[in-house]
Amino acid sequence: EPEVTQTPSHQVTQMGQEVILRCVPISNHLYFYWYRQILGQKVEFLVSFYNNEISEKSEIFDDQFSVERPDGSNFTLKIRSTKLEDSAMYFCASSERTEQFFGPGTRLTVL
Amino acid sequence: AQRVTQPEKLLSVFKGAPVELKCNYSYSGSPELFWYVQYSRQRLQLLLRHISRESIKGFTADLNKGETSFHLKKPFAQEEDSAMYYCALLTGANSKLTFGKGITLSVRP
Repeated sequence: EPEVTQTPSHQVTQMGQEVILRCVPISNHLYFYWYRQILGQKVEFLVSFYNNEISEKSEIFDDQFSVERPDGSNFTLKIRSTKLEDSAMYFCASSERTEQFFGPGTRLTVL
Repeated sequence: AQRVTQPEKLLSVFKGAPVELKCNYSYSGSPELFWYVQYSRQRLQLLLRHISRESIKGFTADLNKGETSFHLKKPFAQEEDSAMYYCALLTGANSKLTFGKGITLSVRP
């Protein structure tokens, strides 16, 4: 059964550094998403992506964040200059219609 | 703005006991609701959705628009049901999910 994959599983970085989180969505899916979960808090929507452009973003998704689909398979989330409060679990999801399939997550730790 | 409320953080029951995980939502449009489950060290996965009206692993959930609720129920809990459960609301043309805070279900032998 096809699954969404994410790399790395854990990323540790210094405050102010750039990080790129990678996702490979399910191959025939057209809609892509990033969510995050700060420890002890709810899963929060960051951004949705369709037809090679952002279709919706939350207020969390400020100018420090960007997404890209550089080729036909990868979907990336870049944080330009990480802050301590960016430490969280980041989940990628993809969907064909309304059911979203989630990846295992990348745990980002900002020191 | 849309909101999903799961009022309890933890529910601990004995095997064989009934389970009800509460979920209330706030949304001005026509809601589409889901329950996602996350077993230990595994990814979030869809458990059920209100549109399909099916029972998965013995769980059911009925959308009650009058009470704006979508409670998850199972008549006889099993140990393998122990997991984190999230209620989620799908909104907008771009179909973003708004999650509740989640509840940990612990089923003791």
